Amino acid sequence: ETGVTQTPRHLVMGMTNKKSLKCEQHLGHNAMYWYKQSAKKPLELMFVYSLEERVENNSVPSRFSPECPNSSHLFLHLHTLQPEDSALYLCASSQSGMKIAEQFFGPGTRLTVL
Amino acid sequence: AQSVTQLDSQVPVFEEAPVELRCNYSSSVSVYLFWYVQYPNQGLQLLLKYLSGSTLVKGINGFEAEFNKSQTSFHLRKPSVHISDTAEYFCAVTRSGGSYIPTFGRGTSLIVHP
Repeated sequence: ETGVTQTPRHLVMGMTNKKSLKCEQHLGHNAMYWYKQSAKKPLELMFVYSLEERVENNSVPSRFSPECPNSSHLFLHLHTLQPEDSALYLCASSQSGMKIAEQFFGPGTRLTVL
Repeated sequence: AQSVTQLDSQVPVFEEAPVELRCNYSSSVSVYLFWYVQYPNQGLQLLLKYLSGSTLVKGINGFEAEFNKSQTSFHLRKPSVHISDTAEYFCAVTRSGGSYIPTFGRGTSLIVHP
């Protein structure tokens, strides 16, 4: 595998389920991100993990819980979601601490909450 | 803080015609600028970036962009589009000097008609 991979690619869950999204980057980067992309809305940064810090968007509900066990893996744990949480969830990575801060994105997980 | 405005939510164009997608930004500090493309059912992919130097930046797939500091703009252009250029295009900005958290515009949907 190369680049940034995400699993699963599609997920349908009920509001009482618990599930996790997984992201893995094979680029040797040290910063990873979760974004939410909803139709007709701007790309929303949810969480950032880097060597220096963890950044949270304060508007993200607590039913989303990130975990970053190492610099290559990132998880997004989901529980008691709402239908409005249905969206494309994108993972990205970059090399923090450098001038060039371009991001590399995974293909996304299309989440549908029933 | 910085912000990004993509003035057009949708740009329809005929194949082989030229296209310009507009991006304006606001920032009190120096910035780096990026254009990303998102094809259907995929993540974002970097098209080009401006860090410093020449204000005309060439990217992949025949796209180019020009940084205009006085007008705080970074418009994306292509002299002749193909059907395969149909996608969502995002302008993004980061604070120069090591920031790794970008601000994205809302995106412009480029629709190329035969």
